Amino acid sequence: DGGITQSPKYLFRKEGQNVTLSCEQNLNHDAMYWYRQDPGQGLRLIYYSQIVNDFQKGDIAEGYSVSREKKESFPLTVTSAQKNPTAFYLCASSIPTGTEQYFGPGTRLTVT
Amino acid sequence: DAKTTQPPSMDCAEGRAANLPCNHSTISGNEYVYWYRQIHSQGPQYIIHGLKNNETNEMASLIITEDRKSSTLILPHATLRDTAVYYCIVSETGTASKLTFGTGTRL
Repeated sequence: DGGITQSPKYLFRKEGQNVTLSCEQNLNHDAMYWYRQDPGQGLRLIYYSQIVNDFQKGDIAEGYSVSREKKESFPLTVTSAQKNPTAFYLCASSIPTGTEQYFGPGTRLTVT
Repeated sequence: DAKTTQPPSMDCAEGRAANLPCNHSTISGNEYVYWYRQIHSQGPQYIIHGLKNNETNEMASLIITEDRKSSTLILPHATLRDTAVYYCIVSETGTASKLTFGTGTRL
């Protein structure tokens, strides 16, 4: 089955540690996106990539980093510089001329 | 990008049509209206989008007013499985580019 995989579903980390969230897709999509969602809020764009080896900051990129070395993978690192990292993180992908983004199941990150 | 305004919550009886309104009074001529929904603790799911004309697919219908300042998403026969947060989004392209999600309507 084609789709987007995010792992793990739940992730716990201590404050001050960097953590990398995985996002893999086998839809052959060029574009990939990372969003953050806080309780009762909408999604906010962190980073996006339209093509391999290229990515752009979204609205809330501070404290996050990404890489796009392969078409299928777009990992997100939450660094210790992110002041409030506890949130629900969603990855999505699309084709450049497509009309919809396909979302993964999300990773719920808790930092204590 | 234009902003959208949606009611925070709505109720609908099962089997009846659910009509979800969205106000986008500052929309510009080349901006599309998209609808997504998010079932609790899952990733959002695309429903439908349109520019000027009304649109229909297997999930829903989208009615856009002639002045394009508002739209209505219609779920013709709502069921319990339609319980979700519905997001109305205005995007400057007709492709799946950057999307700005507001707080949506909880149905």
